[in-house]
Amino acid sequence: DAKTTQPPSMDCAEGRAANLPCNHSTISGNEYVYWYRQIHSQGPQYIIHGLKNNETNEMASLIITEDRKSSTLILPHATLRDTAVYYCIVRVAVPGYSSASKIIFGSGTRLSIRP
Amino acid sequence: DGGITQSPKYLFRKEGQNVTLSCEQNLNHDAMYWYRQDPGQGLRLIYYSQIVNDFQKGDIAEGYSVSREKKESFPLTVTSAQKNPTAFYLCASNRLAGDPEQFFGPGTRLTVL
Repeated sequence: DAKTTQPPSMDCAEGRAANLPCNHSTISGNEYVYWYRQIHSQGPQYIIHGLKNNETNEMASLIITEDRKSSTLILPHATLRDTAVYYCIVRVAVPGYSSASKIIFGSGTRLSIRP
Repeated sequence: DGGITQSPKYLFRKEGQNVTLSCEQNLNHDAMYWYRQDPGQGLRLIYYSQIVNDFQKGDIAEGYSVSREKKESFPLTVTSAQKNPTAFYLCASNRLAGDPEQFFGPGTRLTVL
């Protein structure tokens, strides 16, 4: 199981903020929320991650609710190049191997940007 | 430039043949991963490796095999036992604790005829 739930598709007008929701109601206290995106036929690209505080980097902002059961990825000014499938992922720790983790991908949200 | 390379980008094989997909990284990462992606689906983990000469099965390891003889290389063999091998295969790596980002290669699209 992917442990996250995302809408299968969304669209957004170019230049507007794209807000992508994710539910992760069974998240554990030490699990992070990660976001990746995948442009068609390419490898996924890391966007951002967070534990419980809101995070921002040059690509996006991540808003995590206080109970940590859901989060929202915000692309502040969407462009056509942001058209991709966006994956919300909860990081699973591998027993005995604390330094690396399996990443379980769900189906993601297909974001379309309208000109 | 540091990164992960996978070759070739497109690969065709006849049914019943084994085929090996290459994955090389020069990022000095200890952990490496292989994923499979089918059309319209998310990624599923095949195998992963924490250190040289050690690897673990992922969620869909049947019909696949791997080796990790060198830190920078993690080849995946798709055997004839894999019932539906046609897919997009992605290799990834990450560093030790403190760096949660997983880096992905460009992928190899395998088509079995």
